[in-house]
Amino acid sequence: DVKVTQSSRYLVKRTGEKVFLECVQDMDHENMFWYRQDPGLGLRLIYFSYDVKMKEKGDIPEGYSVSREKKERFSLILESASTNQTSMYLCASRFTGTGGEAFFGQGTRLTVV
Amino acid sequence: AQRVTQPEKLLSVFKGAPVELKCNYSYSGSPELFWYVQYSRQRLQLLLRHISRESIKGFTADLNKGETSFHLKKPFAQEEDSAMYYCALTNTGGFKTIFGAGTRLFVKA
Repeated sequence: DVKVTQSSRYLVKRTGEKVFLECVQDMDHENMFWYRQDPGLGLRLIYFSYDVKMKEKGDIPEGYSVSREKKERFSLILESASTNQTSMYLCASRFTGTGGEAFFGQGTRLTVV
Repeated sequence: AQRVTQPEKLLSVFKGAPVELKCNYSYSGSPELFWYVQYSRQRLQLLLRHISRESIKGFTADLNKGETSFHLKKPFAQEEDSAMYYCALTNTGGFKTIFGAGTRLFVKA
């Protein structure tokens, strides 16, 4: 019963390439998030969106941008991939309001060579 | 600014021993606190949330606003509890959720 789907499980890209990571949720959630997960650093918030076409920077937005043209889809864009962006990327969504849990995608392991 | 601190990167206990995973937070408003768990090769998933005051898989967590803590406890650890545990904070209004660095729990037989 998959609710949050990330388009790729593994990606290998070259330095300087423009990279798109896609995320789709089927729960009609207002809020969507992109995190990167690194050992010892946990999940760090890159960007989040609380409505269509609305976005906010998280704690580590440098080198990334996002797009939310439809409520169910939230895209993460690496404008010019660099090796320090090699990581696991997690997408999540949740309802606004008290107590709502975040649902996560399966993750995209991105390697930049 | 919002911050979540999990001071232990790794916690190793024997089966049947009590376990406590520490979480401290920094937030000026009224936060919502959660514990998420990631088992090997599985998605990150919710374990419990402070507003529910529930016990899930024998785990409990109490929000201590005075100490700004939300420690996760279980009286008798099981091998199947071995996983990565993340403490998370959502701001007032529920727009932004941040996570701690995580604690890997290893329960030895």
